[in-house]
Amino acid sequence: AQKITQTQPGMFVQEKEAVTLDCTYDTSDPSYGLFWYKQPSSGEMIFLIYQGSYDQQNATEGRYSLNFQKARKSANLVISASQLGDSAMYFCAMREGGYGNKLVFGAGTILRVKS
Amino acid sequence: DAGITQSPRYKITETGRQVTLMCHQTWSHSYMFWYRQDLGHGLRLIYYSAAADITDKGEVPDGYVVSRSKTENFPLTLESATRSQTSVYFCASSEAGRFGYTFGSGTRLTVV
Repeated sequence: AQKITQTQPGMFVQEKEAVTLDCTYDTSDPSYGLFWYKQPSSGEMIFLIYQGSYDQQNATEGRYSLNFQKARKSANLVISASQLGDSAMYFCAMREGGYGNKLVFGAGTILRVKS
Repeated sequence: DAGITQSPRYKITETGRQVTLMCHQTWSHSYMFWYRQDLGHGLRLIYYSAAADITDKGEVPDGYVVSRSKTENFPLTLESATRSQTSVYFCASSEAGRFGYTFGSGTRLTVV
């Protein structure tokens, strides 16, 4: 079974609008971490935001927030006030168990911001 | 400079040849990982290592060999390259007790 599912292969958003990228996960481990990475056309992997399974509040980093719904096993990324530079591939990933363990990635969502 | 360095950045090789992708990190992180990125699959784990001389298979290990004689180096070898191994390869590192992972810039490998 897929551990990380990203159901949106591609998304469009108008500049300055908010966009939500979906991510659902599957694990039976009570301790896990959820990550979002951005991959621009240049190819590097850029860390955006992290949510631990025991964190009570949703993580936020500037224009990025993670809508963490533990019971639904979802960890959606919300980008507010989209910018042209947000056009990229976005990956959701999960680490099961302790720090340092392997990351499992979803297939990714390509986001295009329109002017 | 500190960080993870992957080499080469680009590589074209012929089917059946052996090729080694290099990964070097300067932080002395315990954990190191090799992923391959293919459209529609995201990043898939090939091999990982928890420390020097400790390696384990990931999701797609067939056709690959790794070694880790030193903490800072984690080379990935394709013993006999096949066209299906055409991909972008990422090395990453992490440290126990810290949540973050750091990725190299990637190696784009084409097998012809």
